[in-house]
Amino acid sequence: QKEVEQNSGPLSVPEGAIASLNCTYSDRVSQSFFWYRQYSGKSPELIMSIYSNGDKEDGRFTAQLNKASQYVSLLIRDSQPSDSATYLCAVDSGYSTLTFGKGTMLLVSP
Amino acid sequence: DVKVTQSSRYLVKRTGEKVFLECVQDMDHENMFWYRQDPGLGLRLIYFSYDVKMKEKGDIPEGYSVSREKKERFSLILESASTNQTSMYLCAIGGQNYGYTFGSGTRLTVV
Repeated sequence: QKEVEQNSGPLSVPEGAIASLNCTYSDRVSQSFFWYRQYSGKSPELIMSIYSNGDKEDGRFTAQLNKASQYVSLLIRDSQPSDSATYLCAVDSGYSTLTFGKGTMLLVSP
Repeated sequence: DVKVTQSSRYLVKRTGEKVFLECVQDMDHENMFWYRQDPGLGLRLIYFSYDVKMKEKGDIPEGYSVSREKKERFSLILESASTNQTSMYLCAIGGQNYGYTFGSGTRLTVV
């Protein structure tokens, strides 16, 4: 069974700080990695994708991938209370399917 | 914008009923997926489909079946609903090259 592990949190950060969310995965052949944001009672929303080692930046979000360590992270700069949500890491697991971690809850306090 | 529409936001059904959850997409996409999401267990894949009349079992197919008679519509069927199928059901389209777009979800309660 392919596994994706995340710390469940909650991760609490003050407004304006950097939030760092981490994810490890078990399948060495995985090639595609995604971060989703899920507000309470809503469905997941794709915020970042990354396919090669290194960093990928999009606005206040930076995804980092290290395939040798089987590690993906998401940095949120200048965190806002509106960033408070559960963040799901997803990894491709063959046949166009994704395996999701259980998510990390992020709380940004004003 | 991609649209994935799930017909019901909330459903309450009785134990033993046959339940249909509908998902419709407007993107002519080949791949469609059904997940359920439960606290502490995360998102788990039930069934998926690559094309019309094709279906593949996911990680937890027991107690479910699916139907894909038209490309835009993927239905999840609970043959005989049980209380342990109370959950949030999420339909998605997409794939490993660009991720998924999810529908708004159906919260099913079986009493």
